[in-house]
Amino acid sequence: ETGVTQTPRHLVMGMTNKKSLKCEQHLGHNAMYWYKQSAKKPLELMFVYNFKEQTENNSVPSRFSPECPNSSHLFLHLHTLQPEDSALYLCASSQGSGRPPSTDTQYFGPGTRLTVL
Amino acid sequence: LAKTTQPISMDSYEGQEVNITCSHNNIATNDYITWYQQFPSQGPRFIIQGYKTKVTNEVASLFIPADRKSSTLSLPRVSLSDTAVYYCLVLMDSNYQLIWGAGTKLIIKP
Repeated sequence: ETGVTQTPRHLVMGMTNKKSLKCEQHLGHNAMYWYKQSAKKPLELMFVYNFKEQTENNSVPSRFSPECPNSSHLFLHLHTLQPEDSALYLCASSQGSGRPPSTDTQYFGPGTRLTVL
Repeated sequence: LAKTTQPISMDSYEGQEVNITCSHNNIATNDYITWYQQFPSQGPRFIIQGYKTKVTNEVASLFIPADRKSSTLSLPRVSLSDTAVYYCLVLMDSNYQLIWGAGTKLIIKP
């Protein structure tokens, strides 16, 4: 247990569906992250939030829409996805002592395995 | 373009010391190097972080030469439970970018 939970663990959706991924951290951290992990590729940082404010958006398509209502919760809203969006989506949090991403250790959740048909 | 490069896979045996090297030729003065470990069905987990020379903790050592263009994660006396994927990460201080390697799949054999 890392103190970061993600739901659902597995999700299968069609290209016309709308779904949301949820992340919750119980560590009292101020920064939260969304990553995309595809097989044999480096982790791709998608979004970073610090104290609920988005600080990074690494050219992510608009079909991915993040939401951070408070420092403990992070959502990723999905709509009209493509099959190439199938991947493991990881949430992480860090202390947020400086502007993230920083040298603070990131604590990852187990991920949501997304399959787009 | 900043990039971190590491071997795709490595094999070793229980009780051996394993060294995994990461190349980061474009590392800048204030950039930090971090290593993470990932088991199947889990997210990556922090192992060690360093800036220069040598860092040691209870699970690993990190060796960084003077030019800092590479770093080596050293796992002493590995066991079967060390079978995992190991990621090298460079935090670029200048623009807050995270440069992840593609991971090294380490398989420990009995």
